Amino acid sequence: NAGVTQTPKFQVLKTGQSMTLQCAQDMNHEYMSWYRQDPGMGLRLIHYSVGAGITDQGEVPNGYNVSRSTTEDFPLRLLSAAPSQTSVYFCASSYSRDSPLYEQYFGPGTRLTVT
Amino acid sequence: GESVGLHLPTLSVQEGDNSIINCAYSNSASDYFIWYKQESGKGPQFIIDIRSNMDKRQGQRVTVLLNKTVKHLSLQIAATQPGDSAVYFCAENLSATGRRALTFGSGTRLQVQP
Repeated sequence: NAGVTQTPKFQVLKTGQSMTLQCAQDMNHEYMSWYRQDPGMGLRLIHYSVGAGITDQGEVPNGYNVSRSTTEDFPLRLLSAAPSQTSVYFCASSYSRDSPLYEQYFGPGTRLTVT
Repeated sequence: GESVGLHLPTLSVQEGDNSIINCAYSNSASDYFIWYKQESGKGPQFIIDIRSNMDKRQGQRVTVLLNKTVKHLSLQIAATQPGDSAVYFCAENLSATGRRALTFGSGTRLQVQP
């Protein structure tokens, strides 16, 4: 298993541009989530999904959209990038919504810079 | 992979010494806590967890202490090794909400000197 994979590893955007951060897992996990991590801060939850077709907002959802059309993929879309979205983004997954919270596997992250 | 931010409190210890990493959590109603380790270029990895009905829990070389009175968690690492060098985060959850969201602390960088 590749686990949780994220692409790209690095991305530079100009203000107003749009892009999609990709996240995929090959463990047949129902639950997937996106976090952002800013310098000197812990991770903050953006959006999460408890299964295909179901998404919900986390702590900091503004400026981001998600969809979950398949179990494997959970892309994060920035419709109009802003400098405040400069951050490192982590995707995570776990077997189900009922899995223990500690059974959450994180991807390697994507560093996004918005100029 | 990516690493955490640059402006983190840092704990520097000698190899073989014990390390104590502290965390103040935000919500007095939180009832579940996790410690994560994040190595450079990788996502967070689970170390140990504790529920609020416990004061202490031990794992392999690690112990977590919970003081609910002052909303404080600590992670003790025995006989610290160079491989323990990483950023450590605590995270909290309020299970009564039914939400799986974890609230993370800001992290502490542990540097192990050989």
